[in-house]
Amino acid sequence: GAVVSQHPSWVICKSGTSVKIECRSLDFQATTMFWYRQFPKQSLMLMATSNEGSKATYEQGVEKDKFLINHASLTLSTLTVTSAHPEDSSFYICSATPGLDYNEQFFGPGTRLTVL
Amino acid sequence: QQQVKQSPQSLIVQKGGISIINCAYENTAFDYFPWYQQFPGKGPALLIAIRPDVSEKKEGRFTISFNKSAKQFSLHIMDSQPGDSATYFCAPRPGSNDYKLSFGAGTTVTVRA
Repeated sequence: GAVVSQHPSWVICKSGTSVKIECRSLDFQATTMFWYRQFPKQSLMLMATSNEGSKATYEQGVEKDKFLINHASLTLSTLTVTSAHPEDSSFYICSATPGLDYNEQFFGPGTRLTVL
Repeated sequence: QQQVKQSPQSLIVQKGGISIINCAYENTAFDYFPWYQQFPGKGPALLIAIRPDVSEKKEGRFTISFNKSAKQFSLHIMDSQPGDSATYFCAPRPGSNDYKLSFGAGTTVTVRA
Protein backbone atom coordinates (compact mmCIF):
# COMPACT_ATOMS: atom_id res chain seq x y z
CA GLY A 1 0.00 0.00 0.00
CA ALA A 2 0.85 3.71 0.11
CA VAL A 3 1.95 4.04 -3.48
CA VAL A 4 2.59 7.36 -5.18
CA SER A 5 2.98 7.53 -8.94
CA GLN A 6 4.30 10.25 -11.20
CA HIS A 7 3.75 10.79 -14.87
CA PRO A 8 5.69 11.12 -17.02
CA SER A 9 8.82 9.44 -15.70
CA TRP A 10 10.92 11.50 -18.07
CA VAL A 11 10.26 14.31 -20.50
CA ILE A 12 12.31 16.31 -22.99
CA CYS A 13 11.00 19.63 -24.17
CA LYS A 14 12.13 22.68 -26.08
CA SER A 15 13.00 25.90 -24.33
CA GLY A 16 9.97 28.15 -23.93
CA THR A 17 7.39 25.40 -23.78
CA SER A 18 5.38 24.31 -20.73
CA VAL A 19 5.49 20.88 -19.14
CA LYS A 20 2.95 19.31 -16.77
CA ILE A 21 3.91 16.61 -14.28
CA GLU A 22 1.25 14.60 -12.48
CA CYS A 23 1.51 13.12 -9.01
CA ARG A 24 -1.09 10.62 -7.84
CA SER A 25 -1.62 8.79 -4.58
CA LEU A 26 -2.94 5.42 -5.73
CA ASP A 27 -4.30 3.84 -2.58
CA PHE A 28 -4.81 6.63 -0.08
CA GLN A 29 -6.16 10.12 0.10
CA ALA A 30 -3.44 12.71 0.38
CA THR A 31 -4.40 15.78 2.32
CA THR A 32 -0.98 17.24 1.68
CA MET A 33 1.41 16.84 -1.21
CA PHE A 34 4.91 18.19 -1.63
CA TRP A 35 7.01 18.97 -4.68
CA TYR A 36 10.78 18.73 -4.62
CA ARG A 37 13.52 19.22 -7.14
CA GLN A 38 16.85 17.46 -7.02
CA PHE A 39 19.98 18.30 -8.97
CA PRO A 40 22.60 15.61 -9.63
CA LYS A 41 24.40 14.49 -6.50
CA GLN A 42 22.49 16.96 -4.35
CA SER A 43 19.78 16.71 -1.76
CA LEU A 44 16.08 17.24 -2.26
CA MET A 45 14.97 20.86 -2.21
CA LEU A 46 11.39 21.51 -1.21
CA MET A 47 9.66 23.72 -3.75
CA ALA A 48 6.12 23.90 -2.42
CA THR A 49 3.49 22.35 -0.21
CA SER A 50 -0.03 21.88 -1.49
CA ASN A 51 -3.21 21.04 0.32
CA GLU A 52 -6.29 19.82 -1.52
CA GLY A 53 -8.53 22.65 -2.57
CA SER A 54 -6.26 25.48 -1.51
CA LYS A 55 -3.38 27.44 -2.98
CA ALA A 56 0.09 25.99 -2.72
CA THR A 57 2.62 27.42 -0.30
CA TYR A 58 5.90 28.07 -2.05
CA GLU A 59 9.32 28.02 -0.45
CA GLN A 60 11.41 31.13 -0.51
CA GLY A 61 13.07 31.66 -3.87
CA VAL A 62 10.66 29.49 -5.85
CA GLU A 63 8.79 31.42 -8.55
CA LYS A 64 5.11 30.66 -8.14
CA ASP A 65 4.29 31.96 -11.60
CA LYS A 66 6.83 29.65 -13.17
CA PHE A 67 6.02 26.52 -11.18
CA LEU A 68 2.24 26.24 -11.11
CA ILE A 69 0.86 23.73 -8.65
CA ASN A 70 -2.71 22.48 -8.63
CA HIS A 71 -3.99 20.07 -5.98
CA ALA A 72 -7.39 19.48 -7.49
CA SER A 73 -8.35 16.34 -5.59
CA LEU A 74 -7.24 14.22 -2.68
CA THR A 75 -5.35 11.92 -5.04
CA LEU A 76 -3.91 14.25 -7.67
CA SER A 77 -1.50 17.16 -7.71
CA THR A 78 0.08 18.64 -10.80
CA LEU A 79 3.20 20.72 -11.30
CA THR A 80 3.42 22.78 -14.47
CA VAL A 81 6.76 24.24 -15.42
CA THR A 82 5.89 27.24 -17.57
CA SER A 83 8.19 28.66 -20.23
CA ALA A 84 10.81 26.09 -19.38
CA HIS A 85 14.49 26.91 -19.82
CA PRO A 86 17.58 24.69 -19.69
CA GLU A 87 18.24 25.70 -16.09
CA ASP A 88 14.90 24.11 -15.16
CA SER A 89 16.28 20.72 -16.16
CA SER A 90 16.18 18.63 -13.02
CA PHE A 91 14.67 15.63 -11.27
CA TYR A 92 11.27 16.54 -9.88
CA ILE A 93 9.88 14.40 -7.07
CA CYS A 94 6.51 14.59 -5.38
CA SER A 95 5.48 13.14 -2.06
CA ALA A 96 2.15 12.71 -0.34
CA THR A 97 0.92 12.18 3.16
CA PRO A 98 -2.47 11.12 4.47
CA GLY A 99 -2.05 13.77 7.14
CA LEU A 100 -3.66 13.66 10.58
CA ASP A 101 -1.22 11.88 12.89
CA TYR A 102 0.48 10.04 10.09
CA ASN A 103 4.17 10.81 10.11
CA GLU A 104 5.35 9.37 6.86
CA GLN A 105 5.60 11.03 3.47
CA PHE A 106 5.39 8.63 0.56
CA PHE A 107 7.54 9.60 -2.39
CA GLY A 108 6.88 9.19 -6.07
CA PRO A 109 9.49 7.73 -8.43
CA GLY A 110 10.42 11.14 -9.81
CA THR A 111 10.27 12.82 -13.21
CA ARG A 112 13.41 13.65 -15.15
CA LEU A 113 12.92 16.93 -17.04
CA THR A 114 15.38 17.92 -19.75
CA VAL A 115 14.91 21.28 -21.44
CA LEU A 116 16.78 21.71 -24.70
CA GLN B 1 17.49 22.51 5.28
CA GLN B 2 20.61 24.15 6.71
CA GLN B 3 19.22 23.16 10.09
CA VAL B 4 20.48 19.64 9.45
CA LYS B 5 24.09 18.59 9.00
CA GLN B 6 24.75 15.12 7.69
CA SER B 7 28.10 13.35 7.56
CA PRO B 8 30.04 11.88 5.94
CA GLN B 9 29.34 12.96 2.38
CA SER B 10 30.31 9.51 1.14
CA LEU B 11 31.72 6.30 2.42
CA ILE B 12 32.99 3.02 1.07
CA VAL B 13 32.61 -0.15 3.07
CA GLN B 14 33.46 -3.76 2.42
CA LYS B 15 30.71 -6.33 2.21
CA GLY B 16 29.85 -7.45 5.71
CA GLY B 17 31.14 -4.25 7.28
CA ILE B 18 29.31 -1.56 9.22
CA SER B 19 28.23 1.75 7.69
CA ILE B 20 27.61 4.65 10.06
CA ILE B 21 26.00 7.92 9.02
CA ASN B 22 25.44 10.84 11.36
CA CYS B 23 22.94 13.65 11.42
CA ALA B 24 23.06 16.73 13.67
CA TYR B 25 20.16 19.14 13.94
CA GLU B 26 19.40 22.51 15.49
CA ASN B 27 15.62 22.68 15.64
CA THR B 28 14.45 21.41 19.02
CA ALA B 29 10.91 21.23 17.66
CA PHE B 30 11.81 18.19 15.57
CA ASP B 31 9.77 15.26 16.77
CA TYR B 32 10.23 12.62 14.09
CA PHE B 33 13.59 11.40 12.84
CA PRO B 34 13.56 9.32 9.66
CA TRP B 35 16.22 8.02 7.34
CA TYR B 36 15.47 7.70 3.65
CA GLN B 37 17.21 5.51 1.08
CA GLN B 38 17.44 6.62 -2.53
CA PHE B 39 18.70 4.65 -5.50
CA PRO B 40 19.86 6.46 -8.67
CA GLY B 41 16.95 7.70 -10.74
CA LYS B 42 14.37 6.82 -8.10
CA GLY B 43 12.48 8.67 -5.43
CA PRO B 44 13.54 8.24 -1.81
CA ALA B 45 11.91 5.61 0.35
CA LEU B 46 11.57 5.51 4.11
CA LEU B 47 14.11 3.13 5.58
CA ILE B 48 13.64 3.52 9.32
CA ALA B 49 12.45 6.23 11.69
CA ILE B 50 12.48 6.99 15.39
CA ARG B 51 10.55 9.17 17.81
CA PRO B 52 12.41 11.03 20.58
CA ASP B 53 10.97 8.95 23.40
CA VAL B 54 13.40 6.09 22.63
CA SER B 55 17.17 6.11 22.20
CA GLU B 56 17.50 3.26 19.74
CA LYS B 57 15.44 1.40 17.19
CA LYS B 58 16.47 -1.64 15.21
CA GLU B 59 14.87 -3.08 12.12
CA GLY B 60 16.78 -5.97 10.66
CA ARG B 61 20.27 -4.78 9.76
CA PHE B 62 19.39 -1.12 10.21
CA THR B 63 19.58 0.68 13.54
CA ILE B 64 18.90 4.29 14.52
CA SER B 65 20.63 5.69 17.57
CA PHE B 66 19.19 8.90 18.97
CA ASN B 67 20.83 11.34 21.37
CA LYS B 68 18.36 14.04 22.27
CA SER B 69 20.71 16.08 24.47
CA ALA B 70 23.35 16.19 21.75
CA LYS B 71 20.72 16.78 19.06
CA GLN B 72 22.14 13.99 16.95
CA PHE B 73 20.95 10.76 15.47
CA SER B 74 22.73 8.16 13.42
CA LEU B 75 22.06 5.29 11.08
CA HIS B 76 24.00 2.07 11.41
CA ILE B 77 23.91 -0.49 8.62
CA MET B 78 25.18 -3.81 9.89
CA ASP B 79 26.52 -6.57 7.64
CA SER B 80 26.49 -4.16 4.69
CA GLN B 81 25.55 -5.70 1.35
CA PRO B 82 26.16 -4.50 -2.23
CA GLY B 83 22.41 -3.92 -2.51
CA ASP B 84 22.72 -1.32 0.23
CA SER B 85 24.75 0.89 -2.13
CA ALA B 86 22.59 4.00 -2.32
CA THR B 87 22.31 7.55 -1.06
CA TYR B 88 20.93 7.98 2.43
CA PHE B 89 19.24 11.09 3.75
CA CYS B 90 18.25 12.08 7.25
CA ALA B 91 15.16 14.25 7.17
CA PRO B 92 13.76 15.21 10.57
CA ARG B 93 10.48 17.07 10.91
CA PRO B 94 8.40 18.64 13.62
CA GLY B 95 5.45 16.73 14.96
CA SER B 96 1.81 17.73 15.10
CA ASN B 97 0.54 19.11 11.82
CA ASP B 98 3.86 20.20 10.32
CA TYR B 99 4.81 17.58 7.76
CA LYS B 100 7.75 19.39 6.17
CA LEU B 101 10.93 17.34 6.14
CA SER B 102 14.33 19.00 6.53
CA PHE B 103 16.65 16.96 4.35
CA GLY B 104 20.33 16.53 5.10
CA ALA B 105 22.84 16.76 2.27
CA GLY B 106 22.93 13.01 1.79
CA THR B 107 25.54 10.28 2.15
CA THR B 108 26.48 8.06 -0.75
CA VAL B 109 27.30 4.58 0.49
CA THR B 110 29.21 2.17 -1.70
CA VAL B 111 29.49 -1.43 -0.56
CA ARG B 112 32.34 -3.32 -2.22
CA ALA B 113 31.86 -7.02 -2.74
